[in-house]
Amino acid sequence: ETGVTQTPRHLVMGMTNKKSLKCEQHLGHNAMYWYKQSAKKPLELMFVYNFKEQTENNSVPSRFSPECPNSSHLFLHLHTLQPEDSALYLCASSDDSAVRPQHFGDGTRLSIL
Amino acid sequence: EDQVTQSPEALRLQEGESSSLNCSYTVSGLRGLFWYRQDPGKGPEFLFTLYSAGEEKEKERLKATLTKKESFLHITAPKPEDSATYLCAVIQETSGSRLTFGEGTQLTVNP
Repeated sequence: ETGVTQTPRHLVMGMTNKKSLKCEQHLGHNAMYWYKQSAKKPLELMFVYNFKEQTENNSVPSRFSPECPNSSHLFLHLHTLQPEDSALYLCASSDDSAVRPQHFGDGTRLSIL
Repeated sequence: EDQVTQSPEALRLQEGESSSLNCSYTVSGLRGLFWYRQDPGKGPEFLFTLYSAGEEKEKERLKATLTKKESFLHITAPKPEDSATYLCAVIQETSGSRLTFGEGTQLTVNP
């Protein structure tokens, strides 16, 4: 039990599909994050939300659209993705944006056909 | 450019054979350095936070240390269940909550 739950765990979609990734945290944290993890590359920060407000967008293409309705839930809406977007997408949360460890979910393995 | 470099890329040990993993960083104004463990098919699991040079943290067979340029993760008498990828990440003064990760060290401990 990590306290951060991501669904689905695996997703296969075509380039023209629309799908959403969901993240839920039960740790009482105020900050939530989306990361992309590709093979042989460091984890790459995509978005940061603090108290439901987006505070960072790391030059992510608009085909990725985040949504944070409250401090416990985070979504990543996907539309018209490219094959190079195939990766493990990880959600994390932390106790606001101070120097506190981020706690990760187990990710969604995304494959684009 | 801010960088986090981990070495070696991969490490194979025999059970009981102690060793160290390295994380070197070049950032301006380190606020914190984090070590994570990641098992296949899982998200990173938090291990340690180090804030200042000279600081040390221990947990079971793992000990993390920090200098002004690098951190070491010492593994004493490892067991096969210690096999995983170990990730290092830093937060610097001007990056808010942005973690900069290294590429990780894949550790395999053979029985």
